[in-house]
Amino acid sequence: NAGVTQTPKFQVLKTGQSMTLQCAQDMNHEYMSWYRQDPGMGLRLIHYSVGAGITDQGEVPNGYNVSRSTTEDFPLRLLSAAPSQTSVYFCASSYKLTGAQREQFFGPGTRLTVL
Amino acid sequence: DAKTTQPNSMESNEEEPVHLPCNHSTISGTDYIHWYRQLPSQGPEYVIHGLTSNVNNRMASLAIAEDRKSSTLILHRATLRDAAVYYCMATGKLTFGQGTILTVHP
Repeated sequence: NAGVTQTPKFQVLKTGQSMTLQCAQDMNHEYMSWYRQDPGMGLRLIHYSVGAGITDQGEVPNGYNVSRSTTEDFPLRLLSAAPSQTSVYFCASSYKLTGAQREQFFGPGTRLTVL
Repeated sequence: DAKTTQPNSMESNEEEPVHLPCNHSTISGTDYIHWYRQLPSQGPEYVIHGLTSNVNNRMASLAIAEDRKSSTLILHRATLRDAAVYYCMATGKLTFGQGTILTVHP
């Protein structure tokens, strides 16, 4: 199993550009999520999904869109990049969100810089 | 919302026990408590989780207060490889605290 994979590893954008961060998992996990990590801020939840076709907002959703058309993939779209979105982005997946609350598996991250 | 607070940093010597505290005073009855750790330039890694009872695994132990408003991650014998940022999380809102930077001295 590859686990959780993220592409690209690094990205530089200009203000106003759009892009999609890719996330995929091969563990048949129902739950997937996106976090951003800024220096001294810990991890903040952007969006999450409890299954294909179902998404919801997290703590800091503004400026980001998600969709979940398959169990495996959960892309994060930046519609019009802003310098405030400079951060490291982590994707995570888990077997289930409810019940036994299994552990989350995290990807290696995407480091995004917006100029 | 379940919000967690942790000390910014802690230090330990190699082969000594380390107790990392976390407060989650607004946790709901169905929220699990998870702990993760993060090495530099890597994604967080799962350590342990629990609901009400204390838990042990090969990496660590988790002690949960009777009122569930706090928990403590216990590393029984710290090694240099345990130096990382440790995060606790209550699963209701999936929010992480700012984490504790653990420094282990040889």
